[in-house]
This record gives sequence, structure tokens and C-alpha cells, in this order.
Amino acid sequence: DAMVIQNPRYQVTQFGKPVTLSCSQTLNHNVMYWYQQKSSQAPKLLFHYYDKDFNNEADTPDNFQSRRPNTSFCFLDIRSPGLGDAAMYLCATSRDLGSHEQYFGPGTRLTVT
Amino acid sequence: AQTVTQSQPEMSVQEAETVTLSCTYDTSESDYYLFWYKQPPSRQMILVIRQEAYKQQNATENRFSVNFQKAAKSFSLKISDSQLGDAAMYFCAQETSGSRLTFGEGTQLTVNP
Repeated sequence: DAMVIQNPRYQVTQFGKPVTLSCSQTLNHNVMYWYQQKSSQAPKLLFHYYDKDFNNEADTPDNFQSRRPNTSFCFLDIRSPGLGDAAMYLCATSRDLGSHEQYFGPGTRLTVT
Repeated sequence: AQTVTQSQPEMSVQEAETVTLSCTYDTSESDYYLFWYKQPPSRQMILVIRQEAYKQQNATENRFSVNFQKAAKSFSLKISDSQLGDAAMYFCAQETSGSRLTFGEGTQLTVNP
């Protein structure tokens, strides 16, 4: 019954080594979001896809990229992770823009060594 | 820019009692949505309750209700008959243009048996 799936749940990478986090959904929703949640802080939106249209938040570092090859999958690529990128990364979906409800995955906790 | 403030980093309540979590926000928009999300330990964030700003009636979902004061930009969550399963981090959030969520810093709720 899992609706928004994130793999892996825990990821360890080395400083500067590219890493990819994945998200998949069984809801057939049009919108997929990526949030960064640092320890004891609020989740912060990085970007979202509406179908194939990519929308980057103005303050999202260039180090973060995303791909959505099809409706079900969305990837978060961190090109050169720094120690400050250690965080929980949350994927969320919504049926459409203006649906006023987002469904979250369990998150991937990224550690940078 | 929208901001959401939760002034209570931690709250505790006895099982079966009532607790109120506070949230204030700042926006220049006239119509918007407000949410309370619950994030249990190591589990995904789920929607607790939603309020549309132009609706004067406070939203209610079973044991969860809100006190929405639009003029004061206040949106508090009341949990009645608290249960052990209510223990979690609670985030207040506002939806802005493009269905973006801006979250508060969260309130960690402990339920004591």
C-alpha cells in the first residue's frame, strides 16, 4: 500500500562524491516535490515538477538537480555534496497544483563524511 | 515572503487531556490554505487538518480542530482526548502560490501515559 516510496532510507556519501536519491509514487499524481529538512528545522522546498515542467526555488543551490523521467519517478542529484548538505530529504506528491494536499514519503537521511 | 512561526518547540500533555499548539503566519495574499502536518518518529509526514482562509468556520477532523483567527494571522491546533499515538512533531504550514508549502519550525509533542 506504499504510496510515496523513497530509496534508500539512509544514504552515506563522501564529501564531493555525487549522490542520487530516488522517489517513486503509485498515486499517479502530476506534481512531485523535493524538500530538504535539516536537523530540528522546518522542511524547505528545493524544487518541484508539474508533469515535466521543472520549477526551481530561487534559493536552491546549483549543486542540487532533479530529474523526472516519467510520472512515477523523480530523482534528486547532489553533484558535489558538502557537509552542510547532510539532512533528511523528503519527497512529496500532489494530484495537481491547487489540490491543497501533499503526500509525503518517509524520507532519505543523507550523511556526508 | 511568507513566514510561519511556531513558538513552542516542545509541548507535553497527559493522555486523555487536551493540548493546543500555536502557530502564527505572515502573508500578503488574500486567499490561501493553512495546514497542520504530523511527523511521527521515523515515519512519513501526514496531513492532520486543512483550513481555507476564506472559510470562517474552523476546520475539524475528529479529535483535531483549529482556531483560525485571520485578522491576527493565528492558526492553532487543538488535540482533544490525547492518545499515545499522537506523539510526534507537528508542523504548521502555509500554502503559497504554485502549491508551495512554507513550514514552521515544528512543535515536538509528548504524550504522557
